[in-house]
Amino acid sequence: EPEVTQTPSHQVTQMGQEVILRCVPISNHLYFYWYRQILGQKVEFLVSFYNNEISEKSEIFDDQFSVERPDGSNFTLKIRSTKLEDSAMYFCASSPGTGTDYGYTFGSGTRLTVV
Amino acid sequence: SQKIEQNSEALNIQEGKTATLTCNYTNYSPAYLQWYRQDPGRGPVFLLLIRENEKEKRKERLKVTFDTTLKQSLFHITASQPADSATYLCAPATDSWGKLQFGAGTQVVVTP
Repeated sequence: EPEVTQTPSHQVTQMGQEVILRCVPISNHLYFYWYRQILGQKVEFLVSFYNNEISEKSEIFDDQFSVERPDGSNFTLKIRSTKLEDSAMYFCASSPGTGTDYGYTFGSGTRLTVV
Repeated sequence: SQKIEQNSEALNIQEGKTATLTCNYTNYSPAYLQWYRQDPGRGPVFLLLIRENEKEKRKERLKVTFDTTLKQSLFHITASQPADSATYLCAPATDSWGKLQFGAGTQVVVTP
């Protein structure tokens, strides 16, 4: 069964450093998302991406965050200057169509630890 | 503000019984609602999708209902098995662009 692949599985970074989280969505999917989950808390929406542009973003997704689909297969989340409170599990997801018709396929996540 | 409530207490259930989970939402009217399963340290796994004009959906041992008057969805696992032990998340959504908002989830523990 097709999978969403995320790398790295774990990342430790120093406060103030830039990190790039990488995702390879399922090849024929058109909609891409990033979510995060702080330990013990709920899964939170960050951003949705369609047709090479952001379609919606949450209040969490401020100027420190950016997303990019640099080629036909990768989808990245960049955090420019990490803060301690950015420590969380970050999940990438993709779907072939909108959520009214399709569920999302999530990756296994990248655990980001900011020290 | 929009609010999603799921039972925060774990549901302990004996193998073979039916588990029933509740998802209540307030201050909005979702056009559809999705249910996911999440295992520790893993990403959510999609289970079922139900639209506002559908009362009930089934998939194998799973059943979900959607009552827009009560602002509630119920999720049933029939003939539960220890492998069903996980946290179950509901995610109502108002728009088609993907802003699923997840509830905190209900942990289900199925004992043999």
